[in-house]
Amino acid sequence: DQQVKQNSPSLSVQEGRISILNCDYTNSMFDYFLWYKKYPAEGPTFLISISSIKDKNEDGRFTVFLNKSAKHLSLHIVPSQPGDSAVYFCAASRRYKLVFGAGTILRVKS
Amino acid sequence: DAGVIQSPRHEVTEMGQEVTLRCKPISGHNSLFWYRQTMMRGLELLIYFNNNVPIDDSGMPEDRFSAKMPNASFSTLKIQPSEPRDSAVYFCASSLNLAGGRGRTGELFFGEGSRLTVL
Repeated sequence: DQQVKQNSPSLSVQEGRISILNCDYTNSMFDYFLWYKKYPAEGPTFLISISSIKDKNEDGRFTVFLNKSAKHLSLHIVPSQPGDSAVYFCAASRRYKLVFGAGTILRVKS
Repeated sequence: DAGVIQSPRHEVTEMGQEVTLRCKPISGHNSLFWYRQTMMRGLELLIYFNNNVPIDDSGMPEDRFSAKMPNASFSTLKIQPSEPRDSAVYFCASSLNLAGGRGRTGELFFGEGSRLTVL
């Protein structure tokens, strides 16, 4: 029972262009949504989050959009940089429990 | 400022052996999580401790897995006996969980993980 789904296993983008990573969820009780970034041989690190009462949160080059009616969120990275190449995990939170998607591998080509 | 510290970073063992993974959370954090990452299932929550007390162990695969948190600065995840299907990267994460869940955003701080290979 996958409550958080990232349907694209990988994404390749040219440096300077926009990267859009997508995530769908099924449980309407989630109250926070987060994105984590993971480099090889390291643990995931927090990137950006959004409360379920908002529809957009921006932090520098990173913006997260939430569409509650569609149970969908997306992460926009603009402009994309080679250092952004990593695995991106979408996660949803309810109380203490953080449920992760399977991850999307982002490759930014220079 | 030290992050979450896990040991060992790599463990190769034979089926049937006991495996113990260790974690030191960030000082001052009151919540600790053990996650497992596999290709098939991604990141799965195994167990959650709050103030050293196990709150949710519903993700622990079976009785071969056990976890303890004897104090606020140390936790172990034990697998006995280990099996090849236990091969994965095991992450420990900690956070500060405010009383009543207020202000809880779900932001966790992860260690670098322990890569377990069971032959």
